[in-house]
Amino acid sequence: GQQLNQSPQSMFIQEGEDVSMNCTSSSIFNTWLWYKQDPGEGPVLLIALYKAGELTSNGRLTAQFGITRKDSFLNISASIPSDVGIYFCAGKEVLLGLEYGNKLVFGAGTILRVKS
Amino acid sequence: ETGVTQTPRHLVMGMTNKKSLKCEQHLGHNAMYWYKQSAKKPLELMFVYSLEERVENNSVPSRFSPECPNSSHLFLHLHTLQPEDSALYLCASSQALPGQGSNIQYFGAGTRLSVL
Repeated sequence: GQQLNQSPQSMFIQEGEDVSMNCTSSSIFNTWLWYKQDPGEGPVLLIALYKAGELTSNGRLTAQFGITRKDSFLNISASIPSDVGIYFCAGKEVLLGLEYGNKLVFGAGTILRVKS
Repeated sequence: ETGVTQTPRHLVMGMTNKKSLKCEQHLGHNAMYWYKQSAKKPLELMFVYSLEERVENNSVPSRFSPECPNSSHLFLHLHTLQPEDSALYLCASSQALPGQGSNIQYFGAGTRLSVL
């Protein structure tokens, strides 16, 4: 089935640096979601995007819905130690012009480690 | 607190045991999901219940048996599991009806399962 290509797989950055990660697909999506998962917990929603070109912020996080509807980006500004975790992109695929049920497609995650 | 509660948080079982995982959501949603999360892999969708009917079963072995007695509760019954079934099992819920927010799934903290 459809998979999302999420990159990078992992990042090890200095505290205070900005972080960028992205997700791409081979088909069109009409929703992009970004989740964060802390160790021992489930994924928690960070940002939801619904329109091509949409740019949405949540504190130091900013995400964009690509204009081709096949990609999305997440940026974290001025990283801090509590930003560590796994960041997942997820999307709702559009097939033949129709939404594909309730199913979300997930990326494999970006592991973020921050040096203090 | 995401409004989705999973119990137990940790489970160790032998290959001949029978156990059940429980999920309860307090969000008023009417779709519920079971996912399997293994290290460095995307979330694997196992089962989807929408309006208490199973609408998706992703070729999951019969040793996993879901049950959805009502829209707030979801169970995963486990029987004669294999060591490779050891993973984090995540439950999620969402709205089942079309709408902009219906694509957002809210996750529980998961059950860490170890099969010996």
